[in-house]
Amino acid sequence: AQSVTQPDIHITVSEGASLELRCNYSYGATPYLFWYVQSPGQGLQLLLKYFSGDTLVQGIKGFEAEFKRSQSSFNLRKPSVHWSDAAEYFCAVGERYSSASKIIFGSGTRLSIRP
Amino acid sequence: DAGVIQSPRHEVTEMGQEVTLRCKPISGHDYLFWYRQTMMRGLELLIYFNNNVPIDDSGMPEDRFSAKMPNASFSTLKIQPSEPRDSAVYFCASSRRLAGGQDEQFFGPGTRLTVL
Repeated sequence: AQSVTQPDIHITVSEGASLELRCNYSYGATPYLFWYVQSPGQGLQLLLKYFSGDTLVQGIKGFEAEFKRSQSSFNLRKPSVHWSDAAEYFCAVGERYSSASKIIFGSGTRLSIRP
Repeated sequence: DAGVIQSPRHEVTEMGQEVTLRCKPISGHDYLFWYRQTMMRGLELLIYFNNNVPIDDSGMPEDRFSAKMPNASFSTLKIQPSEPRDSAVYFCASSRRLAGGQDEQFFGPGTRLTVL
């Protein structure tokens, strides 16, 4: 069964510093991969997604993620964080070529920004 | 498009009362998902529908929970009777299926339920 692991529950970075949030998945083939962001009191918003092609995916708000098949990872990066990036970030995986239609969410990483 | 619409945004009720949460998915999306989010358990999938038919309700916690989708533009999640441990934020999401798999899910703003 597919699963998603986000090993970092909470990360604090200084404003202007670079960011990397880790995501590892367990799946037998190439999955669909997603990163969502949830601001306080809001629903989840898609940052970016990987289906196929270029393994470096660009998303909204200056985020990018790289799919590494050999490491079963899909880490999220941003070169310089802003205070408005403080939020909860969720990695998710969906099954390719499967009749199942749900996607599996990780437990989330809460990002705090130090002024 | 207005996105996924949920109502009410906030609901406060007393234990034992019936609670009905409502969702309008994005037009053209044929999948609808209900999630529950709490600090302790994170984001949990409760049930999802395809073309108005429930496909997987294995996440529904108990018989007090029920969900319906009478047509492509409306779904309800009902809790009867409600209990304090049902207090959570309930999200509705919709998506469409692509040739190779599932597209992204679009989430509503959620309903914050408080059961006293």
